[in-house]
Amino acid sequence: EPEVTQTPSHQVTQMGQEVILRCVPISNHLYFYWYRQILGQKVEFLVSFYNNEISEKSEIFDDQFSVERPDGSNFTLKIRSTKLEDSAMYFCASSEGGGQGIGYGYTFGSGTRLTVV
Amino acid sequence: GQQVMQIPQYQHVQEGEDFTTYCNSSTTLSNIQWYKQRPGGHPVFLIQLVKSGEVKKQKRLTFQFGEAKKNSSLHITATQTTDVGTYFCAPHGSSNTGKLIFGQGTTLQVKP
Repeated sequence: EPEVTQTPSHQVTQMGQEVILRCVPISNHLYFYWYRQILGQKVEFLVSFYNNEISEKSEIFDDQFSVERPDGSNFTLKIRSTKLEDSAMYFCASSEGGGQGIGYGYTFGSGTRLTVV
Repeated sequence: GQQVMQIPQYQHVQEGEDFTTYCNSSTTLSNIQWYKQRPGGHPVFLIQLVKSGEVKKQKRLTFQFGEAKKNSSLHITATQTTDVGTYFCAPHGSSNTGKLIFGQGTTLQVKP
C-alpha cells in the first residue's frame, strides 16, 4: 500500500536554529498538508498546498514557517528560527483530491518528532 | 474558528464491552471523516460520511452522521485490545482547500 514517507523521524535542535522537515507524498496525490500534534493533544492544521502554492494556512503558520515542493516529489516544511513551543510531532499528509464537496481520506506519514532545546 | 467537540475524552472498557464516541458541531458540516491513531502512531483514515443520516459499517465499527449534519458518532461493538487508540473526528473546514479540523479525540483503553 502506498505510503507517505517522512524524514527524519526525530530531530533535536537548539532554540533559534533552522530545521527542515521532509516528506515524500504519495505519487498520484495532488493535495499536501502539514499538521502538528503537541504531546497528548489534538492534531492541528498548519498548511495546505495545491498546484505548487499554499491554499490555506493557519494562524500558527507565521512568517517563521515556509513550505516548498522543490522537485515534484519532496514536500518540505522549514522552520526558520525554532522556539521551545515548536516542539511537537509534525505530520505530513497527502490526499488524492480536496475540497468540501468531494473529500478524500488523508494518508499521513509517520511523523517527525521535533524537540527544541 | 470552526470547532468540533468530541466526548468523552477518555474511555476505559473491559474487552467485549461496547464503546461509543460522539462528535458535535455548532455549524452544519459538509462531510466528516474519522481517524484512528494508535499510541505512538499516526492518524489512519477510517471512513468519510457525506449524507444526512448516513450510516456506514466496517466490521464491528458503525459510523453515523446526524440528520442535521451537525453531529456524528462512532460505535464499536464488542471491543478488542486491538481497538486501543485515539479516535478523532475531522470535518472539512468551511474553506474549499481540503483542510480538516480535528476534534480533541477520544482515547480508548481496553482491559483484557
